[in-house]
Amino acid sequence: GAGVSQSPSNKVTEKGKDVELRCDPISGHTALYWYRQSLGQGLEFLIYFQGNSAPDKSGLPSDRFSAERTGGSVSTLTIQRTQQEDSAVYLCASSFGLGGQGNTFGSGTRLTVV
Amino acid sequence: AQSVTQPDIHITVSEGASLELRCNYSYGATPYLFWYVQSPGQGLQLLLKYFSGDTLVQGIKGFEAEFKRSQSSFNLRKPSVHWSDAAEYFCAVGVNNAGNMLTFGGGTRLMVKP
Repeated sequence: GAGVSQSPSNKVTEKGKDVELRCDPISGHTALYWYRQSLGQGLEFLIYFQGNSAPDKSGLPSDRFSAERTGGSVSTLTIQRTQQEDSAVYLCASSFGLGGQGNTFGSGTRLTVV
Repeated sequence: AQSVTQPDIHITVSEGASLELRCNYSYGATPYLFWYVQSPGQGLQLLLKYFSGDTLVQGIKGFEAEFKRSQSSFNLRKPSVHWSDAAEYFCAVGVNNAGNMLTFGGGTRLMVKP
């Protein structure tokens, strides 16, 4: 597509439930990133996929968080047993993965855990 | 470890006045540096980037930034601010080989007075 598409745009869930957030990157972009934006922590890197390489999961805050990228395209970020501190905007970005090209960001999914 | 500091949390300028947003970084290698802008409810839009060459880089919307290695700075400037520039601005350093895994500063919220 023309841009990075994220769905849903808003999600309200009850504490303890699992949620899945979807990212559809720009066609042809080999690199895909998830970031989290919250009031207390600012913008944080979560996970990075580059082509067929093993993902860099160094930013995931706990083992309740996981992500996968199917067919080198669409990615799903899953949060299990959600907690109130998981409330944030989850941003996806993609790029060609080459040096310093800069990422194109989606509009994000606003997650609220009640 | 890498870090990015934006010393000014809020800045207010009058429309038509000049603008400078400060950014200092800490990174052990030659950095990839970026400025992004985020309007309310929107994702991040890339304004400009630097990774080599001329230390004064031009971006979109009339913005420019200057890389000063001796000061570890990458300040964003605009000679004449428009009301539509009101937004939050993020400086970031790319910390992987491709320069796209980003560590962000805390952001500067710009308000524009008529």
